[in-house]
Amino acid sequence: AQSVTQLGSHVSVSEGALVLLRCNYSSSVPPYLFWYVQYPNQGLQLLLKYTSAATLVKGINGFEAEFKKSETSFHLTKPSAHMSDAAEYFCAAYMDSNYQLIWGAGTKLIIKP
Amino acid sequence: EAQVTQNPRYLITVTGKKLTVTCSQNMNHEYMSWYRQDPGLGLRQIYYSMNVEVTDKGDVPEGYKVSRKEKRNFPLILESPSPNQTSLYFCASSLGGGSTDTQYFGPGTRLTVL
Repeated sequence: AQSVTQLGSHVSVSEGALVLLRCNYSSSVPPYLFWYVQYPNQGLQLLLKYTSAATLVKGINGFEAEFKKSETSFHLTKPSAHMSDAAEYFCAAYMDSNYQLIWGAGTKLIIKP
Repeated sequence: EAQVTQNPRYLITVTGKKLTVTCSQNMNHEYMSWYRQDPGLGLRQIYYSMNVEVTDKGDVPEGYKVSRKEKRNFPLILESPSPNQTSLYFCASSLGGGSTDTQYFGPGTRLTVL
C-alpha cells in the first residue's frame, strides 16, 4: 500500500540549530509532495510543495525541502530554528488520481531555548 | 478574508445524540474534504466532495454522513455518535481536486463523545 512515513513523532532542537524533519514515501512513480504546519490550536497551513519542477523547494518562514527520487524522500530543513517554529509538521503525498492526499503521522518540533 | 470556518469549535456530547458540524468556505472552491486527526495517526480523510451533489468516501467514512447542496457548505453529520468518534475534526477546501492544489484548512472542531 502507498504510504508516507515521517521518522520521529517528536524532534527536539536548540534555538539556532539546524532543523531536519524526515519524510519518505512509498511509490514507484514520483508523487507530488507537500509539507503542512500546524501551530497549537490552529488548522494546518501549507509550508511548501513539490510539483515536479525544481527538486529543491523553498517555502515560507525559511523552510525548504529537497525531493530525492533515489531515496524516495522529501526531508524538510531550516538552517536556524526559532522558538516560533514550535509546531507539528505533516508530510503528505498525492500519489494517484483518487483525489486523496496520503498523510504522514506528523512530527512535533520542540525548540529548546 | 479568504477562509474556511467551522462550527462549533468545541463540542461535548453523549453517545447516540445526533450532531452536525458545519463547514463553510468563501473562496469558491470546488473541492471540500473532512479529516479527523488522532494522536500518532496523522490526518485521515472521512469524506470528500468534488462539487455540488458529488461526494465520496475517504479512508474512514463509517459512522459519518455528509452533504453538499451548496458549493460553499459541506456539513459533517454524526447520526449516532460513539466514543470512538472523539477526535479533532478538520474541514478543508481547495480550488479543485487536482494533485497540486493547496488545501486550506478550517480551525478544527474538537469533539468529545461521552
